[in-house]
Amino acid sequence: SQKIEQNSEALNIQEGKTATLTCNYTNYSPAYLQWYRQDPGRGPVFLLLIRENEKEKRKERLKVTFDTTLKQSLFHITASQPADSATYLCALRRLTYGGSQGNLIFGKGTKLSVKP
Amino acid sequence: ETGVTQTPRHLVMGMTNKKSLKCEQHLGHNAMYWYKQSAKKPLELMFVYNFKEQTENNSVPSRFSPECPNSSHLFLHLHTLQPEDSALYLCASSQDPTGYDTIYFGEGSWLTVV
Repeated sequence: SQKIEQNSEALNIQEGKTATLTCNYTNYSPAYLQWYRQDPGRGPVFLLLIRENEKEKRKERLKVTFDTTLKQSLFHITASQPADSATYLCALRRLTYGGSQGNLIFGKGTKLSVKP
Repeated sequence: ETGVTQTPRHLVMGMTNKKSLKCEQHLGHNAMYWYKQSAKKPLELMFVYNFKEQTENNSVPSRFSPECPNSSHLFLHLHTLQPEDSALYLCASSQDPTGYDTIYFGEGSWLTVV
């Protein structure tokens, strides 16, 4: 079956360290992959999008990599801060040829806690 | 302010009640979505509307009835729900109706069915 796995339900790190979150997928031909941040009781907020022909994307302290051979995306937060504590979701958009919109598939998320 | 506004933020309803969730997007987008988020589960797509027309129903039970009167507004009508329907219901929108685009979420409506 097709699925996306975010390997850790929770990740605890010390302030100032780099947080690395993993998203693996099986049986997809991805068009692109997105990362979202979700705070408790709030809706997800878009952070970064990386396309299947891109290896790496950066935005301020955030970096995303995409390895279609390994079927894996890594999401890094450098110089992490307690304010980065949240749940991070990855979502994969499959390649389709009919234009259907039902193909953004989400992982369960990884809850990141950054300790001062 | 996310550009997608959902009301109410919290709703408690009995299994025999009828209620509605409302969503409004202020982004000029053409596509709107309903997602369900339950504890320990991934976001589940429920419905998709493009230019007011429903283009996807992801095998959602008929006790959930969507309505899209225009490209800016989306409703989810609820009737005879079950306790397992308790969840966070998220509305979202995107510019590109083909879906190859970032989607923007509202803050969600917390639904508790008692």
